[in-house]
Amino acid sequence: DAGVIQSPRHEVTEMGQEVTLRCKPISGHDYLFWYRQTMMRGLELLIYFNNNVPIDDSGMPEDRFSAKMPNASFSTLKIQPSEPRDSAVYFCASSFSRGTNSPLHFGNGTRLTVT
Amino acid sequence: AQRVTQPEKLLSVFKGAPVELKCNYSYSGSPELFWYVQYSRQRLQLLLRHISRESIKGFTADLNKGETSFHLKKPFAQEEDSAMYYCALSGRPGGTSYGKLTFGQGTILTVHP
Repeated sequence: DAGVIQSPRHEVTEMGQEVTLRCKPISGHDYLFWYRQTMMRGLELLIYFNNNVPIDDSGMPEDRFSAKMPNASFSTLKIQPSEPRDSAVYFCASSFSRGTNSPLHFGNGTRLTVT
Repeated sequence: AQRVTQPEKLLSVFKGAPVELKCNYSYSGSPELFWYVQYSRQRLQLLLRHISRESIKGFTADLNKGETSFHLKKPFAQEEDSAMYYCALSGRPGGTSYGKLTFGQGTILTVHP
């Protein structure tokens, strides 16, 4: 198993542009999480899904952020329009519920730079 | 609301010295606590969880409900322990925040030779 796969690994874009981050969770996992990592705030939970349904999006900073999970094997996080303060590493993670909190499996992250 | 606080952003120790990474939490219920670690150029991964009461790579962590803490300890630090460490919390199965993992701000541990 290749684990959680995120693309792209690096993204550099100009302010105002649309950015789409992609994630393929581990097959069979029914939870999917999007986190943002910055030096100031550490790991912030943006949104998470259970069986493709968004459960909690209270961490999504603004309406500029949106996330979808059209099927069990794919999710996107979109920022439109992007701003320099969105620069961070964005992680996707997945897990499998089995009666207790199972470990999260993280992707390698997407390092986003907005100039 | 659930919250995790790691008061130290940076922690430096010498090889062989004891190390303690602090973690305090806020949660109205019975939480499950975890420590995750991110080594250089590696993915963030689970180090240990309180319900397992295990020692991983010499690290242990005890849940102290009275002090709402889950500090990570190791009696003799090694250079390969240098990494970013995150404390995390989730609600128990059946609770409203089951599955939702909230992380602290992280602590960068540097072990000097």
